[in-house]
Amino acid sequence: QSALTQPRSVSGSPGQSVTISCTGTSSDVGGYNYVSWYQQHPGKAPKVMIYDVSKRPSGVPDRFSGSKSGNTASLTISGLQAEDEADYYCCSYGGRFNWVFGGGTKLTVL
Amino acid sequence: QVQLVQSGAEVKKPGASVKVSCKASGYTFTSYHMHWARQAPGQGLEWLGIINPSGGTTSYEQKFQGRVTITRDASTSTVYMELSSLRSEDTAIYYCARAGNNHFDYWGQGTLVTVSS
Repeated sequence: QSALTQPRSVSGSPGQSVTISCTGTSSDVGGYNYVSWYQQHPGKAPKVMIYDVSKRPSGVPDRFSGSKSGNTASLTISGLQAEDEADYYCCSYGGRFNWVFGGGTKLTVL
Repeated sequence: QVQLVQSGAEVKKPGASVKVSCKASGYTFTSYHMHWARQAPGQGLEWLGIINPSGGTTSYEQKFQGRVTITRDASTSTVYMELSSLRSEDTAIYYCARAGNNHFDYWGQGTLVTVSS
């Protein structure tokens, strides 16, 4: 299965909003509402921020939101803070008990 | 609290095999599937496979079929990932992650596997 497509980098100033896209196919992103997003700081394990397209785990700030349209999912971070600077990965169920990650996006807070 | 504790770093020669363990605690081991993923230096995450600790059934990313084997020992709440015929491109941090509600809800700390002659 091919990796989902994410922009390599995005940036924004504190207080602004940024959106990271994640494009797949009708066999993964478009076919299931099982898209999740992970934040990874350098040297750390990933942490789930969004699951099932738009659900937030307990403890994740409501500044983080997710959506999906067709074969593209999106993660929006509003009110950017310095600690949001990290790598972000999307992931989708791809059917037949297979999962696929995106290539990752580096978020820089200017 | 849920904890996944992985085994320590490994250095292997090309052509060898490596077996990484992931010991789970803080929940009912057989109630949640377990994923394995990896991350090469400076690269993104790559899914390897998944196991149902209850029955031991597995599913693997097609790219790794025939080279990766995921097993479990329910008596010790431990999942294992073995990768054979290692090559330099397999140098990566290998993670186990619990499968909760169609996502990866808890992650191990990662195990660095270095393949070098």
